[in-house]
Amino acid sequence: NAGVTQTPKFQVLKTGQSMTLQCAQDMNHEYMSWYRQDPGMGLRLIHYSVGAGITDQGEVPNGYNVSRSTTEDFPLRLLSAAPSQTSVYFCASSYSDLNYGYTFGSGTRLTVV
Amino acid sequence: DQQVKQNSPSLSVQEGRISILNCDYTNSMFDYFLWYKKYPAEGPTFLISISSIKDKNEDGRFTVFLNKSAKHLSLHIVPSQPGDSAVYFCAARGTSYGKLTFGQGTILTVHP
Repeated sequence: NAGVTQTPKFQVLKTGQSMTLQCAQDMNHEYMSWYRQDPGMGLRLIHYSVGAGITDQGEVPNGYNVSRSTTEDFPLRLLSAAPSQTSVYFCASSYSDLNYGYTFGSGTRLTVV
Repeated sequence: DQQVKQNSPSLSVQEGRISILNCDYTNSMFDYFLWYKKYPAEGPTFLISISSIKDKNEDGRFTVFLNKSAKHLSLHIVPSQPGDSAVYFCAARGTSYGKLTFGQGTILTVHP
């Protein structure tokens, strides 16, 4: 099925551990981005990309790294997990034409203990 | 600094009536606005968008209105259905293409 695929769906990390959240899309979308959702805060942009090899920071980039070596994949790396990074993470992708909006993945629920 | 604000955390409406969800923004450089619906344990789903050169866009039961002078947009759902019960987010795009700024969300409950 076409869409945005995020793995894993759930993850528990210990403080200080690192991990990579995977995101892949098969719609040949140029734009991809990562958001985190926290209660009362809406969705906040972590990092985004406007094409392969091009990434930029969003509102809350600290503690996260990204790369975009292919059009399809946009992994998010947590360098040294902290309890403040406990959240639900969403990956999204889009064409440049926003008449079609962004397509979101189903999310990764991360708990850092 | 919250550039996109949804000041109503929740809204309760009777089935068949109109639901009006509101959103305010502060950044005059925003040129595109979007509405999303989100069910628990799922990703947001795109509903409708509007360019800043328009003041209205319709898609079935959903209509978005944009008032640029007031920096205000609203989503009208007519008629409301119980399946519309969800969290609704508005979002805006500025000069950095690929970057969306979201509001905090409004929980809509439609009662049968």
